[in-house]
Amino acid sequence: GNSVTQMEGPVTLSEEAFLTINCTYTATGYPSLFWYVQYPGEGLQLLLKATKADDKGSNKGFEATYRKETTSFHLEKGSVQVSDSAVYFCALSGGLAYSGAGSYQLTFGKGTKLSVIP
Amino acid sequence: SQTIHQWPATLVQPVGSPLSLECTVEGTSNPNLYWYRQAAGRGLQLLFYSVGIGQISSEVPQNLSASRPQDRQFILSSKKLLLSDSGFYLCAWDRARAYEQYFGPGTRLTVT
Repeated sequence: GNSVTQMEGPVTLSEEAFLTINCTYTATGYPSLFWYVQYPGEGLQLLLKATKADDKGSNKGFEATYRKETTSFHLEKGSVQVSDSAVYFCALSGGLAYSGAGSYQLTFGKGTKLSVIP
Repeated sequence: SQTIHQWPATLVQPVGSPLSLECTVEGTSNPNLYWYRQAAGRGLQLLFYSVGIGQISSEVPQNLSASRPQDRQFILSSKKLLLSDSGFYLCAWDRARAYEQYFGPGTRLTVT
């Protein structure tokens, strides 16, 4: 079955530091890949996505490239801010994990908590 | 644009009491709907999903149940809560045959 592995947290960085959160996946077929962000006490927000190999998703200064050869989708940001403090989830959908009747289930990683200090 | 609502935002209930959490989606029709639970410090666990009115699939056997009485309404229920039911409950939707899901603000449930 599908699975997502992301780096263990928590991650603590100083403001303006470079961020990398590693994510690797196992899936059959050709899944779509996502990064979601969860701010304290809130639901998950879609941060960025990539639907095919070599696609780069980007949003709010964050980037991730779909690398099929290494089955990875690492999240990066060149200069983090205090407001980026949150939990980040890597996820995949599709491939051959089709539930029928038009439903593709998401498979999530366990989340990485990022704290950015001034 | 589409909006997803959940209520209540927070809930404190004693063990053995019933539960009803509601989720509604606006601005779309015939969405797929999902209930997730997020226990403290842990990832997301898919509980139920629905591809249409009255169609519910359960991912984890437990004392929770789900219903979809209307196209854009999804309800999570329990007849008798357990301490282990405490957590953050998230509702999500997506379009049929689409890949990304959109999440509601969540309900924080504490069972005492």
